Amino acid sequence: DAKTTQPPSMDCAEGRAANLPCNHSTISGNEYVYWYRQIHSQGPQYIIHGLKNNETNEMASLIITEDRKSSTLILPHATLRDTAVYYCIVRWGSQGNLIFGKGTKLSVKP
Amino acid sequence: GAVVSQHPSRVICKSGTSVKIECRSLDFQATTMFWYRQFPKQSLMLMATSNEGSKATYEQGVEKDKFLINHASLTLSTLTVTSAHPEDSSFYICSARARQGPNEKLFFGSGTQLSVL
Repeated sequence: DAKTTQPPSMDCAEGRAANLPCNHSTISGNEYVYWYRQIHSQGPQYIIHGLKNNETNEMASLIITEDRKSSTLILPHATLRDTAVYYCIVRWGSQGNLIFGKGTKLSVKP
Repeated sequence: GAVVSQHPSRVICKSGTSVKIECRSLDFQATTMFWYRQFPKQSLMLMATSNEGSKATYEQGVEKDKFLINHASLTLSTLTVTSAHPEDSSFYICSARARQGPNEKLFFGSGTQLSVL
């Protein structure tokens, strides 16, 4: 059980903002929200993470709702290279590993 | 960010042979590394946890005698697929846990595509 729900796929026009939603209604108070992405045939790449405050880095912004039951990853100006599967993760396994769900396949189109 | 190097990126082998995959943390020490497997159009599934200086912990359903893991140093873990068969063909990905500031993150290698003929 990945504890997150994401749409299976989304399209975005090149140059526009990509807003990827994630539902994590059963998140615990001390669980962080992590976002990774996986470009085809590569290993996952860390994007951003947060606990309850909104976060921004050079790659993306993370908006977490006040009740922490959902979040949105924002890629401000999507490019073709942002086409990937995006994983929202809140759950760590007993070994300290990340547990991946099915993610959202984002297709950025010209 | 931290860098995890994984080699080889792609390997094709005959059925019955063994294949070794290396995973190195280049700029940090990793007491724990993880090995995932990913079949086409599916998500990553944890196979085993590799701890430096001790035996690996395998997930249910993963044969420890078939997937040998060695974590002999703080920067290197290896996965050996012994007597590989076509059903072992998959994308294998390693990751290492690193602490940056107050939080921990997992960093991933680039993956190894194994094709067993």
